[in-house]
Amino acid sequence: EAQVTQNPRYLITVTGKKLTVTCSQNMNHEYMSWYRQDPGLGLRQIYYSMNVEVTDKGDVPEGYKVSRKEKRNFPLILESPSPNQTSLYFCASRKDREYANTGELFFGEGSRLTVL
Amino acid sequence: GESVGLHLPTLSVQEGDNSIINCAYSNSASDYFIWYKQESGKGPQFIIDIRSNMDKRQGQRVTVLLNKTVKHLSLQIAATQPGDSAVYFCAENMGSNYKLTFGKGTLLTVNP
Repeated sequence: EAQVTQNPRYLITVTGKKLTVTCSQNMNHEYMSWYRQDPGLGLRQIYYSMNVEVTDKGDVPEGYKVSRKEKRNFPLILESPSPNQTSLYFCASRKDREYANTGELFFGEGSRLTVL
Repeated sequence: GESVGLHLPTLSVQEGDNSIINCAYSNSASDYFIWYKQESGKGPQFIIDIRSNMDKRQGQRVTVLLNKTVKHLSLQIAATQPGDSAVYFCAENMGSNYKLTFGKGTLLTVNP
C-alpha cells in the first residue's frame, strides 16, 4: 500500500530536549516536505526536498533541521524544542512534476508534538 | 500573509443538499490548484485538482470551478453525505518551486 509513514504519532517532551520525527514514503517520490498545522494558521511549510541531498527552507524553518540522505526518508529534527513548536506536523511527498500528471501531495497521518 | 484564503470558515448543510466551498487566491502566477479534505485525526487527502488553463473539472460527485478573472476557486459537492464532513483546504502552486500554499480551511458539517 502506497503511504507516507510518520513516527512518533504523539510526543510530549520538554524544552531543549532534542527530538527527531521520522518520515518515510514507499512511492519512490522525489519531492518531500514538512508542514506544521496550527489553529487559525492552516498548513505552513517548514522545509522541503526536491531529491536526495537537496533541501530548502519553506515559510517557517526557524528551529528545525532536515536531512535527505535517502530518497525514501526525510526526518525532521528539533535540536532544542521550545513551547512555540507545539503543533501538529505533517510529512508529505509527491513525484517530481516533470514526471507526474498531477502535483498531488500524499500526506502522512500527522505527528502531534507538545513541548512543555 | 498567505495568498490563498477562504470566504467562510464553516459551512453547515443538510444531507443530500449540494455544498459549495469557496476560495480566493491572489497570485495570478499560480498555475495549479488543488482541493484537499482533512477528516478529524487524519492527514489531508487529495480530492481534485485543476490547472490554470482550465475553468472547470469534474470528478466523482465533485466539481472544481476556476475563475481567473476574479481569482476565485470553488469546490462543489453534489448530494452531500455525512462522510463528507471534514475540513476542506484549497491550495495553489506556482510551478517553478513546487511549493503549495494552503488556505486556512473550511469546516463542512453535514446534518442528517
